[in-house]
Amino acid sequence: EAGVAQSPRYKIIEKRQSVAFWCNPISGHATLYWYQQILGQGPKLLIQFQNNGVVDDSQLPKDRFSAERLKGVDSTLKIQPAKLEDSAVYLCASSLAEGRTEAFFGQGTRLTVV
Amino acid sequence: GENVEQHPSTLSVQEGDSAVIKCTYSDSASNYFPWYKQELGKRPQLIIDIRSNVGEKKDQRIAVTLNKTAKHFSLHITETQPEDSAVYFCAAVGNQFYFGTGTSLTVIP
Repeated sequence: EAGVAQSPRYKIIEKRQSVAFWCNPISGHATLYWYQQILGQGPKLLIQFQNNGVVDDSQLPKDRFSAERLKGVDSTLKIQPAKLEDSAVYLCASSLAEGRTEAFFGQGTRLTVV
Repeated sequence: GENVEQHPSTLSVQEGDSAVIKCTYSDSASNYFPWYKQELGKRPQLIIDIRSNVGEKKDQRIAVTLNKTAKHFSLHITETQPEDSAVYFCAAVGNQFYFGTGTSLTVIP
């Protein structure tokens, strides 16, 4: 079974620049999550999609972060403009159904803002 | 939203000893409690999970217990080995999937 694919693996940008991350979930998985993991901390849920609808984006800094999941499959997460504190690993995960099933993670995108 | 607290943040044990990590949650709607292991630079991977209709589950050296009334659950690793060294995350899942803050486990040979 193919896993969750993310790109790019690494990205270095200057503050105030824009960046976008891409995620392709496991085929057939209706639920897609974006997490931010700062070094030494647990994954923080940014946004959760059920198909192409948003279930929870309460912790997404909407003044600079945006995400979409057109057609209920792939998803993109964008930061515009980036701040130094956005340096983190951005993890995408997917699961078959909302909530109560295992979430499978991608390799993540390591973002460094300088 | 859900609030998941995890303790301890770091744990060192001698090889062969047991390790216990505890989590508490706040949302009574949570009914699925997975545990993930994350090795340095790698993605989190599920090691064991438990649902709210079960009090305990065991898989070889790993076990998880759940007390729904008290809203806490624990991970138990017996006969620890150096390859168990990693960061462990608990999660409480209802309609959303929230993680604890992580426990860095070091098994000393």
